Amino acid sequence: DIQLTQSPSSLSASVGDRVTITCQASQDISHFLNWYHQTPGRAPKLLIYDASNLEAGVPSRFSGRGSGTRFTLTISSLQPGDIGTYSCQQYHNLPFSFGQGTKMEIK
Amino acid sequence: QLQLQESGPGLVKPSQTLSLICTVSGDSINSGHYYWNWIRQPAGKGLEWIGRVDTTGGSNYHPSLKSRVTISMDTSKNQVSLKLRSVTAADTAVYYCARGLFEYWGRGTLVTVSS
Repeated sequence: DIQLTQSPSSLSASVGDRVTITCQASQDISHFLNWYHQTPGRAPKLLIYDASNLEAGVPSRFSGRGSGTRFTLTISSLQPGDIGTYSCQQYHNLPFSFGQGTKMEIK
Repeated sequence: QLQLQESGPGLVKPSQTLSLICTVSGDSINSGHYYWNWIRQPAGKGLEWIGRVDTTGGSNYHPSLKSRVTISMDTSKNQVSLKLRSVTAADTAVYYCARGLFEYWGRGTLVTVSS
């Protein structure tokens, strides 16, 4: 099974900050990676697919990069509504797997 | 707009079978060649993919659950079902259904395994 390791596990930043989350895969997954945002009591919302493609309706301050085993999600200017947990997911190999999540807070 | 809604008992006794339904509205589950997934999330923990079924009836399951899980489609009702047998407290989680490469998700339903 492919393991996804996210760093950091939690992050506190100020409104307007540029923040980056990293997802490291235990083996090459090419570009088959999703990024999600989730708030308590809600389903995950797809932000980025295929590592770098912005899902329709997602603000352009979100961007994804990477291929192979190292991926990043960047928020160019953090907004109050961006609090919650961010998770990566690979769909290169079965079983699909998720990172453990990065909890985002506003200072 | 495609919508997914999970439903089923919120409480299941240990050793029994957890049965959930994902009802799809806004499109036929047969349209296009999509996979229909089930995912779960224990409280305070990360997401775990359970398995999927496609429009041909083919299915794939997480190896850790494969011996206990069945996912199937009922095209007449536009529903996807999940059955997880011999449950324990470790199966307590919010269960989600999602389409394809996870672009659409249901809101999730909490299932507690307890006597």
